[in-house]
Amino acid sequence: QSALTQPPSASGSPGQSVTISCTGTSSDVGGYNYVSWYQQHPGKAPKLMIYEVTKRPSGVPDRFSGSKSGNTASLTVSGLQAEDEADYYCNSHAGSNNFVFGTGTKVTVL
Amino acid sequence: EVQLVESGGGLVQPGGSLRLSCAASGFRFSTYWMRWVRQAPGKGLEWVANIDEDGSEKYYVDSVKGRFTISRDNAKNALYLQMNSLRAEDTAVYYCARASFWAFDIWGQGTMVTVSS
Repeated sequence: QSALTQPPSASGSPGQSVTISCTGTSSDVGGYNYVSWYQQHPGKAPKLMIYEVTKRPSGVPDRFSGSKSGNTASLTVSGLQAEDEADYYCNSHAGSNNFVFGTGTKVTVL
Repeated sequence: EVQLVESGGGLVQPGGSLRLSCAASGFRFSTYWMRWVRQAPGKGLEWVANIDEDGSEKYYVDSVKGRFTISRDNAKNALYLQMNSLRAEDTAVYYCARASFWAFDIWGQGTMVTVSS
């Protein structure tokens, strides 16, 4: 149950786009369409942003989108806004009702 | 309002025990799988345990198997995590979360557990 690999940091100017990768294996990311993404502001609980690779919960702006290719999933934030500055974590089902999170990416809005 | 509120965290010595609780409100608790997730200070998220709707299926991350037990009381809309043989590396904020579409869709505010002598 090794953590999924994410880049430690990513950044962009307001209005630009940033894409965060999440790399796993065929036993987790590549094996299931059950990848989800979470946003966490300092001192706060995580918030679900994307589930089942591409789906957005009600209330999440359509600036957030998800995709997957092979063992790597991605989260793209378009039209960056100041409030998007946060830590982002991916998560994947890893078989037998086990789950694994990514290492986390700090997004900075320049 | 859909809400999860954790309690029971605190300071405990290595080898000790602690029981966390999570009170659910605003949704039909008995129809959802529930989960515990933890976050060590300054570190990332780690899934800890899952439990199905009636408590008959339970799953754990390898590092807590045999030491932690997840349970629930649907009559009280409550989720629990019994933690025994605690180690320094169990120090973390513990979150309860509702499971939906193979994701964690509602989170509590977390409760801090510190294992130290």
